[in-house]
Amino acid sequence: DIQMTQSPSSLSASVGDSVTITCRASQSISRHLNWYQQKTGKAPRLLIYGASSLYSGVPSRFSGRGSGTEFTLTISNLQPEDFASYYCQQSYSTQNTFGQGTNLEIK
Amino acid sequence: EVQLLESGGGLVQPGGSLRLSCGASGFTFSNYAMGWVRQAPGRGLEWVSTMTGVSGDTYYADSVKGRFTISRDSSKNTLFLQMNSLRDADTAVYFCAKVAIFGVVRVFDSWGQGTLVTVSS
Repeated sequence: DIQMTQSPSSLSASVGDSVTITCRASQSISRHLNWYQQKTGKAPRLLIYGASSLYSGVPSRFSGRGSGTEFTLTISNLQPEDFASYYCQQSYSTQNTFGQGTNLEIK
Repeated sequence: EVQLLESGGGLVQPGGSLRLSCGASGFTFSNYAMGWVRQAPGRGLEWVSTMTGVSGDTYYADSVKGRFTISRDSSKNTLFLQMNSLRDADTAVYFCAKVAIFGVVRVFDSWGQGTLVTVSS
């Protein structure tokens, strides 16, 4: 199985800050890397697919980079509604795997 | 508008069985792969299983292989997850999700609200 390691596991930031979350794959997954946002008690929401493509309706302050084994999600100019949990997911393998998640909290 | 509605969750004893359903609307169900993703209380997301649309190929996480079976009834636009030999570790909210393909990248682009399965004696 492909293991996905996300860091940090938690992060504190203020409105207006920029933050970056990292996701590392245990083997190359090309650009088959997706990012999801989840708010407490809600279903996940797709943000970024293919490492860097913004999904429909997602604000441009969200951006993704990377290929192979190392990927990042950057949120610029944090807004109050961005404080949530974030997960990476590899879909390179038919056995998808998620990272363990990053909880983004208000400082 | 895509809508996914899970049902069938509840309390079951260890070793017991449960069948989850996911009713789908707003898209041509038979054309799309569908999957199940779960989330244990206070934990992260865990992919459980995926079933393709046309060919009906199935894939499972190692943690559920041999115990869970994914299936679909395209005449009823419904996805199922039959869960047998349930364990405490299977306690989670189970989400149904639709698979979309962008280029060659597969994503879960629409999700249900989830149904809670509690395995406890």
